[in-house]
Amino acid sequence: EDQVTQSPEALRLQEGESSSLNCSYTVSGLRGLFWYRQDPGKGPEFLFTLYSAGEEKEKERLKATLTKKESFLHITAPKPEDSATYLCAVQVRPFNSKLTFGKGITLSVRP
Amino acid sequence: EPEVTQTPSHQVTQMGQEVILRCVPISNHLYFYWYRQILGQKVEFLVSFYNNEISEKSEIFDDQFSVERPDGSNFTLKIRSTKLEDSAMYFCASSWGGADTQYFGPGTRLTVL
Repeated sequence: EDQVTQSPEALRLQEGESSSLNCSYTVSGLRGLFWYRQDPGKGPEFLFTLYSAGEEKEKERLKATLTKKESFLHITAPKPEDSATYLCAVQVRPFNSKLTFGKGITLSVRP
Repeated sequence: EPEVTQTPSHQVTQMGQEVILRCVPISNHLYFYWYRQILGQKVEFLVSFYNNEISEKSEIFDDQFSVERPDGSNFTLKIRSTKLEDSAMYFCASSWGGADTQYFGPGTRLTVL
């Protein structure tokens, strides 16, 4: 069974305090790994897609990396507006379009 | 920027009633999905739809659920006889290809009393 585990469950940071969110996965064959941001009561908002180990994607204060077993979302000098739940999801081979999500990491950034 | 829209934003219904949740996917997308998220839990896949038929469904998507693309723009999820445990946020998503990024709508909060 495909599994996605995110840690920690919650993270509280001071504004400007950089940190990393972890997503580990156990799948039969990874097709793609997706990071989404979710604000309370809203739908997931797409951030990044990673397809192969060693790949990195960057957007503003966020950088996503991928290895064969896990992905990290690095947040550099976070601001209060980065407070949200960050979701990791995987899509598996051979052809399976559904996304399997982790429980998410709730990030709070204090000013 | 194109986006997925969903109506209504909140639906309250009595147990045993039928509900239809509506979605307008991004216009040039070919794959459509429904997911749900029970309060405090993870987002769960329900069904994927391509070329006017279901391409994959989860164990949750039993005979009480059905999907339809009644015209060129709408995609609907019907729950025939709602149960208390159907209370959740229901998200519609769409993608251009089956392996491409899925873009999610804002969700419909379904409350079954």
